[in-house]
Amino acid sequence: GIQVEQSPPDLILQEGANSTLRCNFSDSVNNLQWFHQNPWGQLINLFYIPSGTKQNGRLSATTVATERYSLLYISSSQTTDSGVYFCAAINQAGTALIFGKGTTLSVSS
Amino acid sequence: DGGITQSPKYLFRKEGQNVTLSCEQNLNHDAMYWYRQDPGQGLRLIYYSQIVNDFQKGDIAEGYSVSREKKESFPLTVTSAQKNPTAFYLCASSIRSGLGYGYTFGSGTRLTVV
Repeated sequence: GIQVEQSPPDLILQEGANSTLRCNFSDSVNNLQWFHQNPWGQLINLFYIPSGTKQNGRLSATTVATERYSLLYISSSQTTDSGVYFCAAINQAGTALIFGKGTTLSVSS
Repeated sequence: DGGITQSPKYLFRKEGQNVTLSCEQNLNHDAMYWYRQDPGQGLRLIYYSQIVNDFQKGDIAEGYSVSREKKESFPLTVTSAQKNPTAFYLCASSIRSGLGYGYTFGSGTRLTVV
C-alpha cells in the first residue's frame, strides 16, 4: 500500500525563523495534501498539491510527484503556527486519505 | 454554516462498556470517514462510507462498528472488544470518496477508558 513518511518528527523554532517539512510517499499518488492540526485538535486543510508549487501567505508547498516527495515551507514563523502538520495521500483503492505520522512544530516567542 | 459536528467532546468509558460517538454533517457530502489518532501515530482509518447504507473497513476496524442509515450521520460504536480504546477520534466528510481533496474534519472526541 501507499506509505507516507514525514520528517522531522519534531521541530522547535524561535518566532521569525523559517522551516521546511518533508513528506515522502511511495507509489504514484495524484492527491497529496497538507493539513495543520491546532493544539485543540482541529484539522485544517492547507494545500491540495498533487504536483507543482502553491503559496498562501507565509506558507508554500512543492510536490515533485516523479520523485515522490513534497515540501512544506513556513516562513517568518509565528506562535500560532504551532501544532502538528500532516501530509496525506489517497490510498490505493482511491477511497480514503492515508496520513503520515506528522511533524510537531513548536514556535516560541 | 455548513460543517461537521462531533459529540461529545470528551467521553469516559468503563472497561467492558460499549460507547457510541456521534458525527453529523450538513454539507451534503456523500462520503464520511472515521479516524483514530494516538500520540505520535498520525491518523489511522477505522471505517469509511462512500454512500448511504454502505460502509467499508479501514486499516484498524477491529473492535469498532458503524452504521450509515442517513446521509448526514455516521456514528461510531467502540465495543468492549476494542482492547485499547483510549484515543482521539476524528470524523471527516468529502463530496465523494476518491477525490483526494475537499475533506472537512470535525473537532474530535477524546475517549478515555477509566
